[in-house]
Amino acid sequence: DTAVSQTPKYLVTQMGNDKSIKCEQNLGHDTMYWYKQDSKKFLKIMFSYNNKELIINETVPNRFSPKSPDKAHLNLHINSLELGDSAVYFCASSLRLAGARSYEQYFGPGTRLTVT
Amino acid sequence: DQQVKQNSPSLSVQEGRISILNCDYTNSMFDYFLWYKKYPAEGPTFLISISSIKDKNEDGRFTVFLNKSAKHLSLHIVPSQPGDSAVYFCAASEETGANNLFFGTGTRLTVIP
Repeated sequence: DTAVSQTPKYLVTQMGNDKSIKCEQNLGHDTMYWYKQDSKKFLKIMFSYNNKELIINETVPNRFSPKSPDKAHLNLHINSLELGDSAVYFCASSLRLAGARSYEQYFGPGTRLTVT
Repeated sequence: DQQVKQNSPSLSVQEGRISILNCDYTNSMFDYFLWYKKYPAEGPTFLISISSIKDKNEDGRFTVFLNKSAKHLSLHIVPSQPGDSAVYFCAASEETGANNLFFGTGTRLTVIP
């Protein structure tokens, strides 16, 4: 009955590898997001995506790419991993309806990525 | 360039007293503000929000105050309980665009029994 789930919870890999993190939500939301929390605990948006559009934060390297097989899933693919990619990655979702609740995002538990 | 700032990295409060967490922002286009609570090894959990058309929103022990002219908001928790010990993130959003949230760096609240 988990609302937003991510796998894996921990991921340790070597520089240069390609890896994916999966995210699934069962809330019926239509918009999903990826955030990166760096070593300074700063949570920063990477992508937001719904059926119609992908909005990319311009500071995100193009080695990062989101892939959405359906509305309930938004996976994050990372190519040629670098040491600086080590962080905690959070997936989130929301429902983009008019009104106050459209801004409330529900977060997954996070994936701690360590690049060695 | 951080648009949402929480200048106090930590706060300790006695159980039963009031906890006040502060947040400042620089982007005048922000019109919706949220507080999230985060426990270790978990994702942030939505706590309370406020629209820019209001200056106060209350939900049980939690009250958020917004001062638009000062670009400042605060979260009051009263009475504070040990279970409130967590990291609290302030977040802001613009009405248009991708609904992205811009987060502060968080304040670690410790409620001492």
